[in-house]
Amino acid sequence: EIVLTQSPGTLSLSPGERATLSCRASQSVSSSYLAWYHQKPGQAPRLLIHGASSRATGIPDRFSGSGSGTDFTLTISRLEPEDFAVYYCQHYDNSLWTFGQGTKVEIK
Amino acid sequence: QITLKESGPTLVKPTQTLTLTCTFSGFSLSTSGVGVGWIRQPPGKALEWLALIYWDDDKRYSPSLKSRLTITKDTSKNQVVLTMTNMDPVDTATYYCAHRPYTMTAFDYWGQGTLVTVSS
Repeated sequence: EIVLTQSPGTLSLSPGERATLSCRASQSVSSSYLAWYHQKPGQAPRLLIHGASSRATGIPDRFSGSGSGTDFTLTISRLEPEDFAVYYCQHYDNSLWTFGQGTKVEIK
Repeated sequence: QITLKESGPTLVKPTQTLTLTCTFSGFSLSTSGVGVGWIRQPPGKALEWLALIYWDDDKRYSPSLKSRLTITKDTSKNQVVLTMTNMDPVDTATYYCAHRPYTMTAFDYWGQGTLVTVSS
C-alpha cells in the first residue's frame, strides 16, 4: 500500500507570498492518479488539481501542480487570504484511494 | 449542478452498527465510469478513504476496514448507503460522501459531511 508523506506539516506565510507544498509517495506512482485538495475549517475538501497538474473546474491559475515518480509539488504563486487552509494530496492505485496527512498553510 | 448530502445518526453506541445515506443529484450512478465514495475525518485529523461503489455495482473497500464495511446503491433513489459494524469511539469522525467522475480518479464534488460520535 502506497503511503503519501506531505511536508512541511505547517507553512507560515504572508498574503502575496509563494507557497510550495510537497507530497512524496513511498514508491513510484502514476502522475495521472495524483490529486490535491484544500480544506477550510468546517468545510468539505475541495478538489484543486487532478492528474498531478490539471486544474479542476473553477480553480484559479495561481494554483499549479507538478511532479512525477515519487515527488509531487503544489505551488500557490501568490497567496490570497482565502488560500489559508489545510492541503491534502491523494493518490489512486489498484482500486484504493490514499490521502496524505496534510499541510496547513497559515498566516504568518 | 452536482450535489451530495449525507444523513444518518449523530450519535451511536460502541458495538452498534452505523448506517449512513448519501443522497445525490445532478448525475446518475448508472452512467458508465461514475462512482460514489465515502471518506471520513476524525476531529483534527487527516482524511481517510473508506469505500467506493461504481455504476456497475463494483465495490472497493479500504483494506483496514473491509471486514466492517458494506456499500450499496439504489440508483432509482439516487442514494448510496454505507454501513459500518462494531462501532468504536475511534470511529468518531465527520463522514463525507463524494462523486468520482468517469474522467478522473479524484473526487470532484463532496457532501457537507456529517459528524458521527461514538459514545456510550
